[in-house]
Amino acid sequence: GDSVTQMEGPVTLSEEACLTINCTYTATGYPSLFWYVQYPGEGLQLLLKATKADDKGSNKGFEATYRKETTSFHLEKGSVQVSDSAVYFCALNDYKLSFGAGTTVTVRA
Amino acid sequence: DSGVTQTPKHLITATGQRVTLRCSPRSGDLSVYWYQQSLDQGLQFLIQYYNGEERAKGNILERFSAQQFPDLHSELNLSSLELGDSALYFCASSSGGIGTEAFFGQGTRLTVV
Repeated sequence: GDSVTQMEGPVTLSEEACLTINCTYTATGYPSLFWYVQYPGEGLQLLLKATKADDKGSNKGFEATYRKETTSFHLEKGSVQVSDSAVYFCALNDYKLSFGAGTTVTVRA
Repeated sequence: DSGVTQTPKHLITATGQRVTLRCSPRSGDLSVYWYQQSLDQGLQFLIQYYNGEERAKGNILERFSAQQFPDLHSELNLSSLELGDSALYFCASSSGGIGTEAFFGQGTRLTVV
């Protein structure tokens, strides 16, 4: 079945550092791919999405490119802020919505 | 605000009891998902409904059941509660189309004592 694997955390960074969270997927069809973010005490929010190969999703300085050849959808941000501290989930939706285990990111001032 | 409403926000109950969690999806969304989030097990998919019918089932215990009503709201019933059922329970909704994103509610925090 479909599945998502994302890099384990926790990840701790200093402000203005670069962030990359790796995500790879397994799917039988052609899924849409998503990154969700969960801030402390809140529900999951859609951060960005890509619906087909080579699409780039972007939002709030975060980017991810749908790479069919490597079945990957890595999340990147060039300069993180303390407010980016959260748990990040990679997800796919083909016929079912599947989530990765989540990566906890802490940004220190 | 995602447009998905979950009630109650917090629930404290004793072992062996039964509780009902409620979810109202975003206007126009036909599909509802239920997830359990605990500290040690991440986000676990429980069940999905589409327009009143069960569409997909995940790791939902037999003590748990859910349904989606004609007005599209959904309820998750948890019975014979155990300490290990303490978790955040999230509802999400989507249009239900293949590949569409889901929008999450703020969750219900269940504490079993």
